Amino acid sequence: DAKTTQPPSMDCAEGRAANLPCNHSTISGNEYVYWYRQIHSQGPQYIIHGLKNNETNEMASLIITEDRKSSTLILPHATLRDTAVYYCIVRSKSGGSQGNLIFGKGTKLSVKP
Amino acid sequence: NAGVTQTPKFRILKIGQSMTLQCTQDMNHNYMYWYRQDPGMGLKLIYYSVGAGITDKGEVPNGYNVSRSTTEDFPLRLELAAPSQTSVYFCASSLGQGAGEKLFFGSGTQLSVL
Repeated sequence: DAKTTQPPSMDCAEGRAANLPCNHSTISGNEYVYWYRQIHSQGPQYIIHGLKNNETNEMASLIITEDRKSSTLILPHATLRDTAVYYCIVRSKSGGSQGNLIFGKGTKLSVKP
Repeated sequence: NAGVTQTPKFRILKIGQSMTLQCTQDMNHNYMYWYRQDPGMGLKLIYYSVGAGITDKGEVPNGYNVSRSTTEDFPLRLELAAPSQTSVYFCASSLGQGAGEKLFFGSGTQLSVL
């Protein structure tokens, strides 16, 4: 599976958009980009995923570059409750061990008042 | 639905003791997973199961055993606890492993081996 690179930490002002980058330069054609987050001491929570096109749901937007080598998770109006570690994961759509999520260290997002 | 339920939430073991971490899900998911998370680190996959009676090793399986006798339950067994197994353990489940499959996680078990 392709590896991902994320900044270790970021700050964001409450009410502003939080833009979390992720580099996945070795991604292959059948691999999806997933985002999960982990609020302190809790289990990870699914946010969004995408393959080629930009995606949006009630939690966030995912922007994937045309060459698919990087992506950005956007939280449009960050709140204090969005303070968490955000994981960018590249995952094969095939089954077996290739389909398992590989978590790195993620980006610790701190939303400040 | 309760989702994924893990018990216990906290446990302290002595070196060499054994214990079973329980995990059950009520979403009729085929796939279940065990992860461990050391302080300041990401999650590492210990074992996973694609259905009742089928289990397979993940990235860090040594020192652990699993079984999957029913769709709902996926217990994780530590036979001879070691300090290196001090960690937070998360169980997760998903409907499958196709594109778009979300993992649902339990709230975790914090284990200390002293």
